[in-house]
Amino acid sequence: GAGVSQSPRYKVAKRGQDVALRCDPISGHVSLFWYQQALGQGPEFLTYFQNEAQLDKSGLPSDRFFAERPEGSVSTLKIQRTQQEDSAVYLCASSPWTSETYEQYFGPGTRLTVT
Amino acid sequence: SQQGEEDPQALSIQEGENATMNCSYKTSINNLQWYRQNSGRGLVHLILIRSNEREKHSGRLRVTLDTSKKSSSLLITASRAADTASYFCAIDRGSTLGRLYFGRGTQLTVWP
Repeated sequence: GAGVSQSPRYKVAKRGQDVALRCDPISGHVSLFWYQQALGQGPEFLTYFQNEAQLDKSGLPSDRFFAERPEGSVSTLKIQRTQQEDSAVYLCASSPWTSETYEQYFGPGTRLTVT
Repeated sequence: SQQGEEDPQALSIQEGENATMNCSYKTSINNLQWYRQNSGRGLVHLILIRSNEREKHSGRLRVTLDTSKKSSSLLITASRAADTASYFCAIDRGSTLGRLYFGRGTQLTVWP
């Protein structure tokens, strides 16, 4: 079956531009996570949705970062006025989230380069 | 730190040898997971071990967990060149509904 997809796979933005990154989770998955992965580092949590509700956004680094999942499926991570330090791979993961299932399924990521 | 910390940072072995990677953490956990990431690709879940489990197997993978020492190890037996990847341990503290705390990873290179 189809896995988690993300688009675009690569994005180059000039400093100050706004970007929008899309995530299509596995159909039926309740939970959706966004992570940021800097070069040579492990992923860092950004935000979490359960269906359309954003239950945890404590990892968003600044108010320039905004995420939404209006219909409980596709999610968009928006970064306003991009800065060089925003350059990273942005990973989306989904999970069915039953009491026995904790595994997260990751998409291929969007590599954002801010010049 | 709430995240796992892998050791070693890099590991280089020959095909057929076993590879052992370690993960240490500082907080209580609900479960601990290991993920693999190939160059340019997303993370793939390998195995999950719950806090009340001590050992788990999946194919050529063996994971151990010692909650008293707050450490875990991942053993890959009879390694193959295709096992070359970065391996991450991820801590689920059972707080934010599955939020994972990742370490920096171990870069494993398996030479044919």
